[in-house]
Amino acid sequence: EAGVAQSPRYKIIEKRQSVAFWCNPISGHATLYWYQQILGQGPKLLIQFQNNGVVDDSQLPKDRFSAERLKGVDSTLKIQPAKLEDSAVYLCASSLPNGEQYFGPGTRLTVT
Amino acid sequence: AQSVTQLDSQVPVFEEAPVELRCNYSSSVSVYLFWYVQYPNQGLQLLLKYLSGSTLVKGINGFEAEFNKSQTSFHLRKPSVHISDTAEYFCAVTRNQAGTALIFGKGTTLSVSS
Repeated sequence: EAGVAQSPRYKIIEKRQSVAFWCNPISGHATLYWYQQILGQGPKLLIQFQNNGVVDDSQLPKDRFSAERLKGVDSTLKIQPAKLEDSAVYLCASSLPNGEQYFGPGTRLTVT
Repeated sequence: AQSVTQLDSQVPVFEEAPVELRCNYSSSVSVYLFWYVQYPNQGLQLLLKYLSGSTLVKGINGFEAEFNKSQTSFHLRKPSVHISDTAEYFCAVTRNQAGTALIFGKGTTLSVSS
């Protein structure tokens, strides 16, 4: 069974530029999560989707971050414009209804 | 709201020694508890989970954890560690409801040396 796929694995941009990350969840997983992991900290939820609807985006900085999950499968997370403090690893996870989450390898973003 | 405190940021041990990584949680409702491991430049891998039932939970790679409701703890243990266990370990909690997001601690770096 294929795992959660994410791309790109690494991205370096300058502040005020925009960037997008892509996630393909495990087939059949209706729930998809985006987490932000800043160096030295545990992952923090940014947004949670159930199929193509948003369940929780209370911690998403909506002035600069956006996310969508068209057709309830793949998802993209966008940052525009990026700030230095956005440097982090962005993790995508998906789950079945019992809640066990499977994580992708992450995208490491460096904002200079 | 739930929160997780991992009491040790770094734990150095020698190979074949036992290890305990400590985790306390706070919640006003019943919870599910998890331990994840993260190797360098990789995503998170589930080690074990407590949903209900026996408070002693066994996971992969010889790890186990004990849920203690009175002390609100979920400490991770291994009787004999290997060099390959060197990694970052995260304790996490969710409400005991399927499909809820994980709340993570800050992580504990386990360094195993020979």
